Amino acid sequence: GAGVSQSPSNKVTEKGKDVELRCDPISGHTALYWYRQSLGQGLEFLIYFQGNSAPDKSGLPSDRFSAERTGGSVSTLTIQRTQQEDSAVYLCASSFGQGNADTQYFGPGTRLTVL
Amino acid sequence: AQSVTQLGSHVSVSEGALVLLRCNYSSSVPPYLFWYVQYPNQGLQLLLKYTSAATLVKGINGFEAEFKKSETSFHLTKPSAHMSDAAEYFCAVSAQAGTALIFGKGTTLSVSS
Repeated sequence: GAGVSQSPSNKVTEKGKDVELRCDPISGHTALYWYRQSLGQGLEFLIYFQGNSAPDKSGLPSDRFSAERTGGSVSTLTIQRTQQEDSAVYLCASSFGQGNADTQYFGPGTRLTVL
Repeated sequence: AQSVTQLGSHVSVSEGALVLLRCNYSSSVPPYLFWYVQYPNQGLQLLLKYTSAATLVKGINGFEAEFKKSETSFHLTKPSAHMSDAAEYFCAVSAQAGTALIFGKGTTLSVSS
């Protein structure tokens, strides 16, 4: 079956511009996560959605970052006024439930480069 | 709070040799532990996970890991390395229910012929 998909696969933008990154989770998965992978920081949690509950935004690095999940499915991560330190690979993952033993399935990521 | 430490950012082995990738965790509650593999320009793929059912966990591609509570370790092993095993490997711990994975810094495995 289809896995987690992300678009675009690559995004190059200029400093100060806004970007939107999209994630399509596996059908039927109620939990959705965003992570950021960068050389200096490794894999960092950004934000987590579970069903209709309020998202856990505790990992967002600044108020320039936001995310929404529409209809309990597709999610969009928005970065406003991008900075060079935002350059990273942004990974989305989904899981069937919210138990901490549930497997998270990852998408291929979006590589963001801020010039 | 939970944390994960992966000892060795880079491990090199010869084809056919034993693979040992080290992971130590810190957790104030019984942890759930995961090993993921990432091939170049791809997302993360689950190798195996420990969910307290059995301390020796077998995963895909011949990998296995043993949970040792006394040593707070969850090392990943494979008896015989293959060239296709060259990748980056991440150990992760699951925090409280309904929260994200906490990852180690990763270990890059190189396999030479």
